[in-house]
Amino acid sequence: SALTQPASVSGSPGQSITISCTGISDADGYKSVYWYQQHPGKAPKLIIYHVSNRASGVSIRFAGSKSGNTASLTISGLQAEDEADYFCNAYSTTNMHVVFGGGTKLTVL
Amino acid sequence: QVHLLQSGTEVKRPGASVNISCKASGYTFTRYYINWVRQAPGQGLEWMGIIGPGDGSTSHAQKFQGRVSMTRDVSTSTVYMELSSLRFEDTAVYYCTRETDGFDVWGQGTVVTVS
Repeated sequence: SALTQPASVSGSPGQSITISCTGISDADGYKSVYWYQQHPGKAPKLIIYHVSNRASGVSIRFAGSKSGNTASLTISGLQAEDEADYFCNAYSTTNMHVVFGGGTKLTVL
Repeated sequence: QVHLLQSGTEVKRPGASVNISCKASGYTFTRYYINWVRQAPGQGLEWMGIIGPGDGSTSHAQKFQGRVSMTRDVSTSTVYMELSSLRFEDTAVYYCTRETDGFDVWGQGTVVTVS
């Protein structure tokens, strides 16, 4: 993948976790970052757009940020229902192409 | 309610082609791009390409050069994605997804098995 994510993260209920997504280079024309949540057997769901904006209906426990070439998704107050795969995504204005991170499996202990 | 409804499961032989449809409803079809994303079993998401329903313009990932074709029918608010010269590694769930601020609406997915 053009974007790199940790394969897995875990946390206990009530804790906070952060998932990183590296490789988002301004030089490659990547102007924004998006995050998706995917439960097994389901289609992905948009949770964060334009780096830090929560999609409609998404809990305030989800927060996005970006520093340099790395974007981050932080989930606070972990709940069992947060256990899922999370993918970052960026769009290049240079070639109008889209890249995804390899995905991170979140386990709620 | 905004909805993308995809066609059903496909089983194909290597070398064959598959054509998947994606019917949009609940919004102005020509206003938003539709992207195609696939997911091989146990793998991540892979962007395939994009079509502008208004003018039919397309762009696709270099990996699918010469094998992918995307079209649309404005009269039925449907986009189509054809993938040709299928290989075993094309076995995946294929999604269409609407692009606004991110991919905000997804189809239910179409399972394509190359066997």
